[in-house]
Amino acid sequence: DTAVSQTPKYLVTQMGNDKSIKCEQNLGHDTMYWYKQDSKKFLKIMFSYNNKELIINETVPNRFSPKSPDKAHLNLHINSLELGDSAVYFCASSQAGSGGPHSTDTQYFGPGTRLTVL
Amino acid sequence: AQSVTQLDSHVSVSEGTPVLLRCNYSSSYSPSLFWYVQHPNKGLQLLLKYTSAATLVKGINGFEAEFKKSETSFHLTKPSAHMSDAAEYFCVVSDPDDYKLSFGAGTTVTVRA
Repeated sequence: DTAVSQTPKYLVTQMGNDKSIKCEQNLGHDTMYWYKQDSKKFLKIMFSYNNKELIINETVPNRFSPKSPDKAHLNLHINSLELGDSAVYFCASSQAGSGGPHSTDTQYFGPGTRLTVL
Repeated sequence: AQSVTQLDSHVSVSEGTPVLLRCNYSSSYSPSLFWYVQHPNKGLQLLLKYTSAATLVKGINGFEAEFKKSETSFHLTKPSAHMSDAAEYFCVVSDPDDYKLSFGAGTTVTVRA
């Protein structure tokens, strides 16, 4: 069974469109994340949710909106896509302890969604 | 703020020879440090992590890393490279205040037959 899954795996779209990427984890984790990996393979955190509550919101354009309908899902919606949004987007999850997320938590990554904006 | 520097962007080794991937960190706290591997067109997989227990950390697939506070280093080693080790390797530090992971720029490992 896939621990962290993302759909779609590939997404090719035109500038100006709106698209969503879905993420699901079956690990029973409390915390989920979205990362962006650029063409130079640099990875940067975008958002994090703990028990459906937003806890990390990096400086990303407000065209990007995460949504967590429940603990097992964290979706990423992107409005008015731009060329610079082309990247690989990774979802991840981690198990928080009773005190909430901790720096020692291991994050488990999904396979990534390669977004190409034409 | 936490950060990591991977000192080599590309490492090329022959199969059966040792692999050394260098990482230095900057942290004002006791850091948690990780090494992740990314095979081509795949997601990231945890190799090992350091969380202030033993300074020599053993991971999967024969990899290990040693935390050296005096040198602010967390280098990754493997005694004998295998063709399947060809991948991108990321050194990562975790911020204890907000559990954000800060990634290094990555080291591409190629293994020659």
